[in-house]
Amino acid sequence: RKEVEQDPGPFNVPEGATVAFNCTYSNSASQSFFWYRQDCRKEPKLLMSVYSSGNEDGRFTAQLNRASQYISLLIRDSKLSDSATYLCVVIPGGLGTYKYIFGTGTRLKVLA
Amino acid sequence: EAQVTQNPRYLITVTGKKLTVTCSQNMNHEYMSWYRQDPGLGLRQIYYSMNVEVTDKGDVPEGYKVSRKEKRNFPLILESPSPNQTSLYFCATRRDSNQPQHFGDGTRLSIL
Repeated sequence: RKEVEQDPGPFNVPEGATVAFNCTYSNSASQSFFWYRQDCRKEPKLLMSVYSSGNEDGRFTAQLNRASQYISLLIRDSKLSDSATYLCVVIPGGLGTYKYIFGTGTRLKVLA
Repeated sequence: EAQVTQNPRYLITVTGKKLTVTCSQNMNHEYMSWYRQDPGLGLRQIYYSMNVEVTDKGDVPEGYKVSRKEKRNFPLILESPSPNQTSLYFCATRRDSNQPQHFGDGTRLSIL
């Protein structure tokens, strides 16, 4: 089993739709979680950190489910500019805290 | 302005000709890493550094070297490049182990 897994997509959604991505992780001791956005051939950019209690930033909501070992990203009222690849990142606990484990990304296309 | 600067941005070269990709950061971050990104494989860590003169192998270190003689710079060295090192490379920094990473703009290498 991969350490971090994401559905590669693509998710094709109309403008204004709500879309959700999940990312599962295998290490139950994992401590920190992030969502990044990557546009084609560009550098990944931090979208938001994921906190245990869940957090929201405008149209974006991130949640952590430790019992089932996944994090989620919800995008409401999708815009054309949301089209990108969304990468989840997990930092394991203990001796592996130097590692930054990326999922392979979920591709989102928002259609006019 | 916080910056991670990679050079060159693009390079086409031939097998066996040594090359260096530079990475410089102005954020005084302890942690620096190099990644390569290939289609279907996501971001894979090549090497990382937790501080000056402290470096260690990531998941795909073969064929690469790094050095960390000063905090701001973390060059990636390909002593004898081969075509399988054709890839998109990113340098990244973070303040400490569980913080988000900041990425450089990327370097696209083509080894013929």
